[in-house]
Amino acid sequence: SQQGEEDPQALSIQEGENATMNCSYKTSINNLQWYRQNSGRGLVHLILIRSNEREKHSGRLRVTLDTSKKSSSLLITASRAADTASYFCATDAVWNKLIFGTGTLLAVQP
Amino acid sequence: SQTIHQWPATLVQPVGSPLSLECTVEGTSNPNLYWYRQAAGRGLQLLFYSVGIGQISSEVPQNLSASRPQDRQFILSSKKLLLSDSGFYLCAWSQGWGEGYTFGSGTRLTVV
Repeated sequence: SQQGEEDPQALSIQEGENATMNCSYKTSINNLQWYRQNSGRGLVHLILIRSNEREKHSGRLRVTLDTSKKSSSLLITASRAADTASYFCATDAVWNKLIFGTGTLLAVQP
Repeated sequence: SQTIHQWPATLVQPVGSPLSLECTVEGTSNPNLYWYRQAAGRGLQLLFYSVGIGQISSEVPQNLSASRPQDRQFILSSKKLLLSDSGFYLCAWSQGWGEGYTFGSGTRLTVV
């Protein structure tokens, strides 16, 4: 079963613009993670935010977490064509089981 | 540094044939190991996970099985493949609960 649902399902922007993706989940979590997947490749871990954190930064990435609303957002600033990929949120509500959402397909037009 | 190897990259198998996908991790000990499957354009479905040698937890009853014969080796198998087993299979490892996962490059399986 899916724990996380990303919104939007697809997003197309111009290079240099910011991209925001949202994730909603259903149950209490220990942490929430974001991953990137280039077409036909494995997933790459981007950032992890713990349930007691509200915001986290890594380079051009900014992640927020609102546990009261059971939601998270991923912001990519100053996007580049190389950011074109699918982005997934994942939660570990249950011990040792990371459950992934359905993903957001981001297309950055040069 | 830690690395994860998964092979083969692509596989075309006839219905009813057996399957064996292998995943190995280097540079760490006692990792948690995972098999996921991704259908086209969809999210990832957790199939199996293992916290130690010989310890396998199955998430979805299906035509597949997993084994962990060595600490850093995780194998996904089937005795008889079905058309519905087609998909993109991903192996991953983590150092423990609450840590990020490192994924292999995946195996694209097509059952014909």
